[in-house]
Amino acid sequence: GAVVSQHPSWVICKSGTSVKIECRSLDFQATTMFWYRQFPKQSLMLMATSNEGSKATYEQGVEKDKFLINHASLTLSTLTVTSAHPEDSSFYICSARGTGGYTQYFGPGTRLTVL
Amino acid sequence: QKEVEQDPGPLSVPEGAIVSLNCTYSNSAFQYFMWYRQYSRKGPELLMYTYSSGNKEDGRFTAQVDKSSKYISLFIRDSQPSDSATYLCAMSVSGNTGKLIFGQGTTLQVKP
Repeated sequence: GAVVSQHPSWVICKSGTSVKIECRSLDFQATTMFWYRQFPKQSLMLMATSNEGSKATYEQGVEKDKFLINHASLTLSTLTVTSAHPEDSSFYICSARGTGGYTQYFGPGTRLTVL
Repeated sequence: QKEVEQDPGPLSVPEGAIVSLNCTYSNSAFQYFMWYRQYSRKGPELLMYTYSSGNKEDGRFTAQVDKSSKYISLFIRDSQPSDSATYLCAMSVSGNTGKLIFGQGTTLQVKP
């Protein structure tokens, strides 16, 4: 149980384009989803927290207009990187937490490369 | 000073060795402690989850929390080459905000 999927697993795009990443909880309802960013050999940095049906809460220093998060259902959250630039190239990982729980279950990650 | 400190390693051990991985933290409000395993280019996988102080054992893995010293450990017995990965400690304060603070991760290599 507690499986989280992400799509796509790898995406390459041109500078200036927008990219959407999906995060789905497959066998449980995720009241809260989290989006992280991870650079090579570094730890996970929380970007934002989203609760189903509410606006996302962004961490300090994360541009909310650049990283658009939507959590429209209890099983799906999306992260859209708008007008992507090479410095946005990174490994993006989502996690999901079910009702009443403290444990986060992570997706397999999406590697974004912006040319 | 980072809230959570973890030696990045790398740590190299022979197969069958006992591995000790550690994290220290500065925020005494942390109540929930987790260990995740992350293989290269994959998402983290939850290994152990403990609340407050004490020990918890699951197969070859034992997690220890010493809140008085603000120190947590993960022990791996009879280590296997398949245990080679990066191990991340994570912790959160009491309440239901669910925000995890991660250590940098320790890279472990178990040599056959």
